[in-house]
Amino acid sequence: SQTIHQWPATLVQPVGSPLSLECTVEGTSNPNLYWYRQAAGRGLQLLFYSVGIGQISSEVPQNLSASRPQDRQFILSSKKLLLSDSGFYLCAWSASGGQYFGPGTRLTVT
Amino acid sequence: GQNIDQPTEMTATEGAIVQINCTYQTSGFNGLFWYQQHAGEAPTFLSYNVLDGLEEKGRFSSFLSRSKGYSYLLLKELQMKDSASYLCAVSHGSSNTGKLIFGQGTTLQVKP
Repeated sequence: SQTIHQWPATLVQPVGSPLSLECTVEGTSNPNLYWYRQAAGRGLQLLFYSVGIGQISSEVPQNLSASRPQDRQFILSSKKLLLSDSGFYLCAWSASGGQYFGPGTRLTVT
Repeated sequence: GQNIDQPTEMTATEGAIVQINCTYQTSGFNGLFWYQQHAGEAPTFLSYNVLDGLEEKGRFSSFLSRSKGYSYLLLKELQMKDSASYLCAVSHGSSNTGKLIFGQGTTLQVKP
C-alpha cells in the first residue's frame, strides 16, 4: 500500500531564516506530487505541483520554491522566511480517482 | 474566475442525517473530491465523483451534477466523531496534472 511521509511535524523558525520541508512517497512510482498551504482559518491553496523528476510548476508567486530530485521525493524550500509564510504545509500525491495527503508540517515564523 | 462555495458551518444531532452542499465554477472539470479534516490534522480522502449521480460508501454518499455545477456530501447515522471540517475540491486544468482548487470548508458540529 502507498504511504506518504512529511517531516518535520512542527517547526518554529525566525524571520529571515531558511526552510527545507521534505516529503516522500512509498509504494507507488512516478506519482504526481503537490505542495499545499493552509493558513489559519483558511482553505487549502496549491503552491506547487510536479508530474515528474525535475518538473515543477508554481501556482502562485511567493517566497518559496520546490524541487523534485528523485521520483518519490518532493522538497519545499525558502532562502528567507517571512511572517506570512506561517501555516500548515501539506504534501499530497495523486493516483486515478484520488489525491492523498501526508500528515503535514505546522510552520510558525516568529 | 474560479469559485467553490460551501456553507461555513452546520450543526446536526447524533444519529441524524446531514447534507453538505457545494457549488462550483471552474475552468475545466476533471472530477470533484470530498475530504474530512479534523482540527489540527491533515485532510483525509472521502470520495471522488467524475460522472453525474450518487456514489455511496458506507455512511457517506456523494452526489454530482455537472450541468448544475453542484455536489453534496450526505452523512447518515451521524456520530460524534463526524464533527470535523468537510472540504469540497474540484480537479481542473489539464487532466494529467490533478490540480485541485478547494472550497473554504464546512465545519460540522455533531451534538448529542
